[in-house]
Amino acid sequence: DGGITQSPKYLFRKEGQNVTLSCEQNLNHDAMYWYRQDPGQGLRLIYYSQIVNDFQKGDIAEGYSVSREKKESFPLTVTSAQKNPTAFYLCASSISWGAGTEAFFGQGTRLTVV
Amino acid sequence: AQTVTQSQPEMSVQEAETVTLSCTYDTSENNYYLFWYKQPPSRQMILVIRQEAYKQQNATENRFSVNFQKAAKSFSLKISDSQLGDTAMYFCAFMKPRNAGNMLTFGGGTRLMVKP
Repeated sequence: DGGITQSPKYLFRKEGQNVTLSCEQNLNHDAMYWYRQDPGQGLRLIYYSQIVNDFQKGDIAEGYSVSREKKESFPLTVTSAQKNPTAFYLCASSISWGAGTEAFFGQGTRLTVV
Repeated sequence: AQTVTQSQPEMSVQEAETVTLSCTYDTSENNYYLFWYKQPPSRQMILVIRQEAYKQQNATENRFSVNFQKAAKSFSLKISDSQLGDTAMYFCAFMKPRNAGNMLTFGGGTRLMVKP
């Protein structure tokens, strides 16, 4: 079945550690996105990528990094510079330049700092 | 920058009744897209309905319909014949025009509870 797979579903991080969240899609979509969701709030854009080997900062990129070496994969690293990383992270993909095309979402990763 | 506001943090409705969720947005763009996404307890984001700003006709998808008022920058979602499975968070979202990519700006969400 086509879709977006995020792993792990739950992730615990110690203070000062970097962690990487995985996002893989088999929809043949060019564009991929990372969003952060905090309790009682909507989703906020962290990073996005329109094509392989290219990505752009979103609204809250500080403390995060990404790579896009393959079309199917868009991993997100939460670095120790992110002061408040505990949140729910959602990865999405879409056809890149089609006007108003739907974004498909993964099932998310819940990150907790312990 | 675009902003999306959902003024109802929580709502409830009896099964089989109709409920309307509100959304307003602020933009200087003339051509854009609006979406309603549903996030059930599983937290999987699911597209409910989409509206193109250049279309005056309101979008409908089965029991879901929108009231799009472009001049007022309002985009409400009406759910008819509410079902228990409609219990979820609902997010209104704005999409920039095509040349700026397909990034979504989300509202804060409305938690809808459908009661038996």
